[in-house]
Amino acid sequence: DQQVKQNSPSLSVQEGRISILNCDYTNSMFDYFLWYKKYPAEGPTFLISISSIKDKNEDGRFTVFLNKSAKHLSLHIVPSQPGDSAVYFCAASGIGNTGNQFYFGTGTSLTVIP
Amino acid sequence: NAGVMQNPRHLVRRRGQEARLRCSPMKGHSHVYWYRQLPEEGLKFMVYLQKENIIDESGMPKERFSAEFPKEGPSILRIQQVVRGDSAAYFCASSPFSGGLGANVLTFGAGSRLTVL
Repeated sequence: DQQVKQNSPSLSVQEGRISILNCDYTNSMFDYFLWYKKYPAEGPTFLISISSIKDKNEDGRFTVFLNKSAKHLSLHIVPSQPGDSAVYFCAASGIGNTGNQFYFGTGTSLTVIP
Repeated sequence: NAGVMQNPRHLVRRRGQEARLRCSPMKGHSHVYWYRQLPEEGLKFMVYLQKENIIDESGMPKERFSAEFPKEGPSILRIQQVVRGDSAAYFCASSPFSGGLGANVLTFGAGSRLTVL
């Protein structure tokens, strides 16, 4: 029962262009969403988060958008750089019947082509 | 100011042996989570612990797997009688708060890669 879904396993983008990574969730009790970045043979590192009271959060080249009615969030990276090539996981957490877990998607592998 | 420390980084076991993976959370963090990443898959929640308590083990296989977080020392994920299907990367994460609270962030260790021959 995958409550957080990343339907695109991979994405390739030219350096300097925008990368858009998408994530969908099914549980309306989620109220906090995060993006993590993972390089091979390393642990995931936190990138950016957003609370359900907001619809946008920006940090430098990274912006996360949240559409609660569609249960959809996206991560925009602009301009994309070769060092951004990694696997990106979205994650969700919340109170109530979501318990204490952080639920992760299956990841999207981003390749930024120089 | 070390982050989340996991050891060993790599562990090779033969079928039927036991595997023990250790995790020391970040200083000041009292919440520990274990996740497993199978090849070509995402991060699957296994267990959430606080000191001396298992809070949520809904992701743990019913047999052969156990976890603890003692009052002193690291959290340990123990896999008894390993099988080839247990081969995966096991990640530990810690946080300062319970997962359900807003603005909480998991900090991950580098992972322990288990290979079962």
